Amino acid sequence: GESVGLHLPTLSVQEGDNSIINCAYSNSASDYFIWYKQESGKGPQFIIDIRSNMDKRQGQRVTVLLNKTVKHLSLQIAATQPGDSAVYFCAEKRDNYGQNFVFGPGTRLSVLP
Amino acid sequence: KAGVTQTPRYLIKTRGQQVTLSCSPISGHRSVSWYQQTPGQGLQFLFEYFSETQRNKGNFPGRFSGRQFSNSRSEMNVSTLELGDSALYLCASSWDGKNIQYFGAGTRLSVL
Repeated sequence: GESVGLHLPTLSVQEGDNSIINCAYSNSASDYFIWYKQESGKGPQFIIDIRSNMDKRQGQRVTVLLNKTVKHLSLQIAATQPGDSAVYFCAEKRDNYGQNFVFGPGTRLSVLP
Repeated sequence: KAGVTQTPRYLIKTRGQQVTLSCSPISGHRSVSWYQQTPGQGLQFLFEYFSETQRNKGNFPGRFSGRQFSNSRSEMNVSTLELGDSALYLCASSWDGKNIQYFGAGTRLSVL
């Protein structure tokens, strides 16, 4: 079946370094993708999104890259800070009717001092 | 503006019982979705309600049901609880036509 997955379940980076979190998706017809951050004891929080007609989108310290050829997404976090420690999820929208998302399993990002 | 509120935060039940969880969306949001989060299966979509009607449904058994009221508040019910139903249940709301969902902190359900 269709799925959204991640290459690395855990990622440890030094404070100040850049982080890259990867995500693979299988439905080539998907036209919308979103990244969420979940801190311990909280619900997921929106980070950034991208539509399939774009290759790149930038936010504040975050960039999402979309490679439709290989069905791959990545989230780049610049100058990683301790507050970035969390689990990051990518999600793929199944269709255009309402909210119908498939979430990846998540990557835990640990920022080392 | 208040965020998504879920009650209760923690719940302990025994097998065979039923449970009702509540979600109050952000004011003005008419779409409310429910997710189950477990370490093994991750975040799985249960269902979405919009204007008191179920608009989307995930692949969960009929023991999982929900409803939405005219003020957009939503409840989900799980009947005949099983040990495997132990999970964090998350509610998310969104503006009509917008993709970004705002999540509550969840209800942690433990089935003994």
